[in-house]
Amino acid sequence: QQQVKQSPQSLIVQKGGISIINCAYENTAFDYFPWYQQFPGKGPALLIAIRPDVSEKKEGRFTISFNKSAKQFSLHIMDSQPGDSATYFCAALPGTNAGKSTFGDGTTLTVKP
Amino acid sequence: AAGVIQSPRHLIKEKRETATLKCYPIPRHDTVYWYQQGPGQDPQFLISFYEKMQSDKGSIPDRFSAQQFSDYHSELNMSSLELGDSALYFCASSLSVAGGDTQYFGPGTRLTVL
Repeated sequence: QQQVKQSPQSLIVQKGGISIINCAYENTAFDYFPWYQQFPGKGPALLIAIRPDVSEKKEGRFTISFNKSAKQFSLHIMDSQPGDSATYFCAALPGTNAGKSTFGDGTTLTVKP
Repeated sequence: AAGVIQSPRHLIKEKRETATLKCYPIPRHDTVYWYQQGPGQDPQFLISFYEKMQSDKGSIPDRFSAQQFSDYHSELNMSSLELGDSALYFCASSLSVAGGDTQYFGPGTRLTVL
């Protein structure tokens, strides 16, 4: 049973457009929701993260929207750039010490110039 | 800022050989996680250590073992390697606090088993 479902699997966006990636979770014990950006052959890099006590968090061109009742959260990338082309993973962690990350399947984003 | 260091970055082994992967967490981080990522897949949690004690265990094969040392670095030992063990192995570290941790990933070790 996949605990974190991510969609779409791949996404193509024109330069300057908005990229939207969605995730849904089942386990209500999850208490921390980060997004990672990964380039081929590199480690996942933390982009932005949110806790359930807020509905939205913005950092630069990246925004997380969180819907606790629906158990869904999404990443919005505004003014998408070709350099944003990468694989994006959502993740969820429990609200306890040393919690492991459960990742979504990933979304491959391609931003066309 | 200092990041997570992993060594070696690339490793090629034959079937049935052993391999040791090392992870040096960000200074003052007390928790280390190991993940395995196959081609086109998401990272899968293997095992974690908090203050040198195993804190959680995921889909780690019995052929693998790991430990965290007094300086907080960690080693993943892999024996009787199989072709299917070929993957990227990531280490992540965090400063454990209640309510969820921010995990910072290393650059990974690419293991190829021939």
